[in-house]
Amino acid sequence: GENVEQHPSTLSVQEGDSAVIKCTYSDSASNYFPWYKQELGKRPQLIIDIRSNVGEKKDQRIAVTLNKTAKHFSLHITETQPEDSAVYFCAAKTPGAGSYQLTFGKGTKLSVIP
Amino acid sequence: EAGVTQFPSHSVIEKGQTVTLRCDPISGHDNLYWYRRVMGKEIKFLLHFVKESKQDESGMPNNRFLAERTGGTYSTLKVQPAELEDSGVYFCASSQVGAGEQFFGPGTRLTVL
Repeated sequence: GENVEQHPSTLSVQEGDSAVIKCTYSDSASNYFPWYKQELGKRPQLIIDIRSNVGEKKDQRIAVTLNKTAKHFSLHITETQPEDSAVYFCAAKTPGAGSYQLTFGKGTKLSVIP
Repeated sequence: EAGVTQFPSHSVIEKGQTVTLRCDPISGHDNLYWYRRVMGKEIKFLLHFVKESKQDESGMPNNRFLAERTGGTYSTLKVQPAELEDSGVYFCASSQVGAGEQFFGPGTRLTVL
C-alpha cells in the first residue's frame, strides 16, 4: 500500500519568514495530494490540494509543488503569520477499486514566532 | 452549511467496555470515511462508505471494530471490547463526490484505561 513520509515533525519560524514542509510518497499511481491544517482543538481543514497532472499550485501565501518523478511534494508558506501556527498534514490518494482513502503523513507542528 | 459533526467529543472507558461513536456527515454527502490518529502518529484510514454500503474497509484493525451506516445518513463506529491500544482520536469525514475534497469532523478523543 501507499506510504507517506513527512518532514520535519516540528518547525519554528519567525513571523514573516517562509516555511517549507516536505512529503514523499511510495506509490507512483497516487494522483491526488491534499494538505490539511489542524489548529489546536479544531478539525483538520483542507488548505490546498494538487493533482498529478499539475506541477505547482498557488493560493495567496500558500503554494504546493509536486515532483512525480521523485515522488515528493512540498507545501510552501510565505510571509508567515502567527495564525499559521498549527499542525499540517500531507496526504496522498491512490486510485483503484472505488476506494478514496487518504494516506497521511505524521504531521508537522509549525510554530510562528511573533 | 453545517459541517461534519461527531459525538461524543471525548470518551473515557475501561478496558473491556464498549463504546459507540457517531458521525453525522454533511447533508447530501454519499461518501463517509472513518480515520483514526493514535498519539504522535499519522491519521490512518479505517473505512469508507458509499451511502449505506462499505466500499473499502481495508483499514479496520480487527473484528472488535464494527461500523454501520444504516439508511445511508449518519454512521456509528462501535468498539467492543475496547483495548488500551484503541486510544486515539477518531475522525469522520465526508465528501459529495468520491474523488472530491474530504471534509473532516472535529473528532472523538477516545481514552481506554
